[in-house]
Amino acid sequence: QVQLVQSGAEVKKPGASVKVSCKASGFTFTTYGISWVRQAPGHGLEWMGWISAYYNNTNYAQELQGRVTMTTDTSTSTAYMELRSLRSDDTAVYYCARDRNPLETTATTSAYWGQGTLVTVSS
Amino acid sequence: DIQMTQSPSSLSASVGDRVTITCQASQDISDYLNWYQQRPGKAPKLLIYDASNLETGVPSRFSGSGSGTDFTFTISGLQPEDIATYYCQQYDNLPLTFGQGTRLEIK
Repeated sequence: QVQLVQSGAEVKKPGASVKVSCKASGFTFTTYGISWVRQAPGHGLEWMGWISAYYNNTNYAQELQGRVTMTTDTSTSTAYMELRSLRSDDTAVYYCARDRNPLETTATTSAYWGQGTLVTVSS
Repeated sequence: DIQMTQSPSSLSASVGDRVTITCQASQDISDYLNWYQQRPGKAPKLLIYDASNLETGVPSRFSGSGSGTDFTFTISGLQPEDIATYYCQQYDNLPLTFGQGTRLEIK
């Protein structure tokens, strides 16, 4: 069955970087795009970006451009999201999510989600 | 960016009730709309895609309709396990955007 297992909780100081991993299993990793979505405590869902290993393509939310990098390691079926220059308002649960359909050329519908990774930014 | 406006922001209903949530897009998004359920402390779950298609394994009491700018999500016969926050999401244009969520409680 499809599974996305994310790395554990992180505590970072303002200005630091964090890299969250998302290990996939149960499907052909390279043929599905992965979105990253975050949720600040008590708030709604915010789309951060999307990556396709098949097309070697990324799309990022404008407000995160320059601070976020999404990558994949096809040898281990793992997606990564790195966020730099962390601020207190980056404190959130970060989710990876797999596209519903294979070979999408951009972000669309997310049908499978990781369990979430809490990133806390505090001095 | 396309703004998605959900209403109501919260609602309380009884088991067995019919519950309706609306979502309005700031521009025409055709049927490029999804509905997600998020139970407390859990990841979101896809319920409806392409505005009206029920995801595999999702109970038939959930349904969606609409196109263009106005969409409706309905639970026909509310169950206790439906306690959650529900989000609409458009994927017509990047960035993908979500509604602010509707928190559903059981009376």
